[in-house]
Amino acid sequence: GAGVSQTPSNKVTEKGKYVELRCDPISGHTALYWYRQSLGQGPEFLIYFQGTGAADDSGLPNDRFFAVRPEGSVSTLKIQRTERGDSAVYLCASSFGNQETQYFGPGTRLLVL
Amino acid sequence: GNSVTQMEGPVTLSEEAFLTINCTYTATGYPSLFWYVQYPGEGLQLLLKATKADDKGSNKGFEATYRKETTSFHLEKGSVQVSDSAVYFCALGPYGGATNKLIFGTGTLLAVQP
Repeated sequence: GAGVSQTPSNKVTEKGKYVELRCDPISGHTALYWYRQSLGQGPEFLIYFQGTGAADDSGLPNDRFFAVRPEGSVSTLKIQRTERGDSAVYLCASSFGNQETQYFGPGTRLLVL
Repeated sequence: GNSVTQMEGPVTLSEEAFLTINCTYTATGYPSLFWYVQYPGEGLQLLLKATKADDKGSNKGFEATYRKETTSFHLEKGSVQVSDSAVYFCALGPYGGATNKLIFGTGTLLAVQP
């Protein structure tokens, strides 16, 4: 079956602009996660959804970052007033439920100029 | 807090050599342990996992044993191939409760030469 998909695959924006990154999880997966991977580093947790609600948003770096999952499937990560330090690969993962194996999408590479 | 420490790379081996990539962890509770692999130009893929002490995860000739006494989960393969060239990430979690995040190491680049 289809895996986790993310769009766009690449995004170039200017400092101060607003961006949205989209994640389509594996069908039937109730849990969805966002991670951020900087160059040469491992992924770092941002936020976790169980269904429509954010069960853990402790990894969001500041209030410029926000994510939604209104119907319990597709999720959008929103970044306001982008900064050059936001440049990274943003990864989405999904799983059948809490405590289950997470399956990752290919990521969105964000470059803030 | 909870953390994962991996050996630094790059690790360069000749084809058919034995591979070990060290991973140690610090955690409260009883986490699951994972190895993920990232091939060039591709996304993260689960390679293997172990959910409790003394479990051995295995896949594609790779193995790792969950050692609670040494808090380790070292990745091994008896004979590497050029196609194994990738970045390998050790990770821990989830470990019960509401927190479901994975905590990753910094990754180890493996380069296998023919």
